[in-house]
Amino acid sequence: ELKVEQNPLFLSMQEGKNYTIYCNYSTTSDRLYWYRQDPGKSLESLFVLLSNGAVKQEGRLMASLDTKARLSTLHITAAVHDLSATYFCAVDYNNNDMRFGAGTRLTVKP
Amino acid sequence: DAGVTQSPTHLIKTRGQQVTLRCSPKSGHDTVSWYQQALGQGPQFIFQYYEEEERQRGNFPDRFSGHQFPNYSSELNVNALWLGDSALYLCASSLLSGRGAYEQYFGPGTRLTVT
Repeated sequence: ELKVEQNPLFLSMQEGKNYTIYCNYSTTSDRLYWYRQDPGKSLESLFVLLSNGAVKQEGRLMASLDTKARLSTLHITAAVHDLSATYFCAVDYNNNDMRFGAGTRLTVKP
Repeated sequence: DAGVTQSPTHLIKTRGQQVTLRCSPKSGHDTVSWYQQALGQGPQFIFQYYEEEERQRGNFPDRFSGHQFPNYSSELNVNALWLGDSALYLCASSLLSGRGAYEQYFGPGTRLTVT
C-alpha cells in the first residue's frame, strides 16, 4: 500500500527566507501533485509533475520530482505572508486513486 | 466555464441518519472522485466514478456508496452516520484519458457535522 510522508508538518518562516518541503512516497509512481489549501477552503492545484526530473516553477514556488528516490520537493523562495497555507503533496496510486500526505502547515511571519 | 460545484455547503445530521451529497463536475470532465478530509488531515480517497460505474474504491465501509448520472454529476451517500463521519467531503473531477497531463479539479466541499 502506498504511503506518502511530508515533512515538516508545521513550518513557521520569516518573510524573505527560503525553505523546502519534502514529500516521500513508498511505491512506484510517476505522477505527483502539489496542492494548496487555505483554512476552510478547497484544494487549489499548484503543480503536476509527470516524469523523473520534472521541475516546475510558479512565482516563489518551485516543485521537483525524483522518481528514483521517490521524492518530491516544494521550494519556497523569499517567502511572503500570502504564502501562508497548508500544502499537500499527492501521489497517483493505481491509476487515478490519489493518496495525499498529511500536509505541511506553513505560516510566514513578518 | 463553471468549475466543480458541490451542494450543500454545510450540513448537520444526527447519528444514525443518512445523508446525500451532490457534485457537478467541471465542463468536459467525465470522471468524479470523492474524498473525505477530517480536520487537520489530508484528504482520503473514498471512490471514483466513470461511465456511471464505481471504478476504484478506497478503504471505506459499505455505508459509503455513490452514483454517477448520465450527465456525469455524482452523489455520495452515507448511511448510519457516525460521529467520526464529520468531515469536509471533497469532490474532484477529471478527464479519464489514459496517461498524460491528468489533473483533478476540486470543488469547494461540503462540511458535514454529525452530532
